[in-house]
Amino acid sequence: DIVMTQSPDSLAVSLGERATINCKSSQSIFYSSNNKNYLAWYQQKPGQPPKLLIVWSSTRESGVPDRFSGSGSGTDFALTISSLQAEDVAIYYCQQYYETPRTFGQGTRLEI
Amino acid sequence: EVQLVESGGGLVQPGGSLGLSCAASGFAFSTYAMNWVRQAPGKGLEWVSSISGSGDNTYYADSVRGQFTISRDNSRNTVYLQMKGLSAEDTAVYYCAKDSGQNSGNYFDNWGQGILVTVSS
Repeated sequence: DIVMTQSPDSLAVSLGERATINCKSSQSIFYSSNNKNYLAWYQQKPGQPPKLLIVWSSTRESGVPDRFSGSGSGTDFALTISSLQAEDVAIYYCQQYYETPRTFGQGTRLEI
Repeated sequence: EVQLVESGGGLVQPGGSLGLSCAASGFAFSTYAMNWVRQAPGKGLEWVSSISGSGDNTYYADSVRGQFTISRDNSRNTVYLQMKGLSAEDTAVYYCAKDSGQNSGNYFDNWGQGILVTVSS
């Protein structure tokens, strides 16, 4: 199974500041045949289900604010929130869909 | 608007069985794979099982293979998860999640609110 490891486990950032969450996969999740990284990011607020933010490592889902951006390729990825808002307090998970079983990182708790 | 509504959770004794349902609406149900993902209290997300849009192909996490059975009824726009031989380790919120493609192996683009399964005597 592909192991997804996020860092840090928790992060405190001031309002308006930048937050970066890292995600590393135990093997490459890049398919050269279509030039895509099979990596998604989800946001989970307390008492709510996860919400899909970013797919293919860097493509924002419809309706996701542009302060959220994804980057990386191969085995190393990052989710960046350019200017933290109060409503961004949540746990963030990366997930690979390169192969089954689809696996998640352990989550990063983002606080203000 | 995509809606996924889980039902059937609750308290079950160790070794018992329980069935979950997920009623879907707002999209062409039979053309998408469906999934169950669980989250133990205070823990992270764990993919449990998937079923293709046609229902012909099913997939399971090693932790539940032989214990859980996923199925779907495309005429009722519903996906099911039958669980048997439950233990405390199966205590979790179970989410129904829509796959982004017809066959399993994509990202989860819509999630239900989740249903709590508690295994305890």
